[in-house]
Amino acid sequence: NAGVTQTPKFRVLKTGQSMTLLCAQDMNHEYMYWYRQDPGMGLRLIHYSVGEGTTAKGEVPDGYNVSRLKKQNFLLGLESAAPSQTSVYFCASSSPRLAGQFEQYFGPGTRLTVT
Amino acid sequence: GNSVTQMEGPVTLSEEAFLTINCTYTATGYPSLFWYVQYPGEGLQLLLKATKADDKGSNKGFEATYRKETTSFHLEKGSVQVSDSAVYFCAPGGSQGNLIFGKGTKLSVKP
Repeated sequence: NAGVTQTPKFRVLKTGQSMTLLCAQDMNHEYMYWYRQDPGMGLRLIHYSVGEGTTAKGEVPDGYNVSRLKKQNFLLGLESAAPSQTSVYFCASSSPRLAGQFEQYFGPGTRLTVT
Repeated sequence: GNSVTQMEGPVTLSEEAFLTINCTYTATGYPSLFWYVQYPGEGLQLLLKATKADDKGSNKGFEATYRKETTSFHLEKGSVQVSDSAVYFCAPGGSQGNLIFGKGTKLSVKP
């Protein structure tokens, strides 16, 4: 199993450009999450999904959109990138069917720089 | 909502020293508690967990005990190694099925 994978690993955008980050998991997990990690801030939840076709806002959703058209994929979109969105983005997945339902499995991250 | 306060770093220790990283939380009810570790340039990995009061999670020589009375989940290791150098995150479960992460504690172990 590959676990959780993220594409791309690195990206540089100019202000105003758009892009989509892809997260894929092969563990048949129901829940998926997008976090951003900034120095001294820990990880903050952007959006999450509890199942195919459903999404919800997390702590810092502004400027981002998400879609979960397939159970194994969770896409994070930036419609008009801003320098404040320079960050490392992590995707994670989990399953409420498992005993440790909050236990999350993380991808390797995408380092995004907006100039 | 749930929140977490984690000891600020960085923490620098010599090899074989004793490690404690403090973590306290506020929560409605009794959430599962986790410690995650992030090695340089990598994603987060689960280090250990505890799902109910008085449970002790352990892995790779690290331990943490779920203390309901003090709402704490301190991470300890008796003898650290250079390979333990990483950032450690304490994380109670949140109300949305997510995790609430502390700001992280960077540990550097010198030979």
